[in-house]
Amino acid sequence: AQTVTQSQPEMSVQEAETVTLSCTYDTSESDYYLFWYKQPPSRQMILVIRQEAYKQQNATENRFSVNFQKAAKSFSLKISDSQLGDAAMYFCAYRLNTGNQFYFGTGTSLTVIP
Amino acid sequence: GAVVSQHPSRVICKSGTSVKIECRSLDFQATTMFWYRQFPKQSLMLMATSNEGSKATYEQGVEKDKFLINHASLTLSTLTVTSAHPEDSSFYICSAREQRGPNTEAFFGQGTRLTVV
Repeated sequence: AQTVTQSQPEMSVQEAETVTLSCTYDTSESDYYLFWYKQPPSRQMILVIRQEAYKQQNATENRFSVNFQKAAKSFSLKISDSQLGDAAMYFCAYRLNTGNQFYFGTGTSLTVIP
Repeated sequence: GAVVSQHPSRVICKSGTSVKIECRSLDFQATTMFWYRQFPKQSLMLMATSNEGSKATYEQGVEKDKFLINHASLTLSTLTVTSAHPEDSSFYICSAREQRGPNTEAFFGQGTRLTVV
């Protein structure tokens, strides 16, 4: 079974500080993609960052970066210089290269403290 | 990124009536679209996957006769909640996958909040 686990239902961070959101997944496949999506209060899902499993180099998008540990099946998201607009639900997800379906974690609610 | 438009954003309907939700990919062709249901403070629950021109594939436990999905074109998929009841009240989200080689992601609509009274 394909599962995605986010063990932190809620996290908080001081503005301008750094926070790391955890995600682990379970699959027997070797070729897949990993994603972090952000869902602000507007409920619009927004892609934050994407990682191809075949790439060893961790993906980076401005203040957002991941720590991808394939052997450990871990895919954490680091947000640097946190801003008030980063407050949202964050969902980790993955998709097999051979499939269409996205598997989502249960989400982490991030609060940014001014 | 690609844009997916979902309409309406909010709808209130009477119990027993049907409601149609539209999901359009505005600037790309979406051969596959997904319909999710999201309860408050919970994750997205996949309801069904629809492929253009063929019948939708429903997840276990989702009533296909209640949640009718039509994907008649490469840019439009619709979800019709038939004979809606208060327990169908929820947030429904569609997403579409842009076929752009192997490295593809899903783009999401704005979601529809359905309230059945």
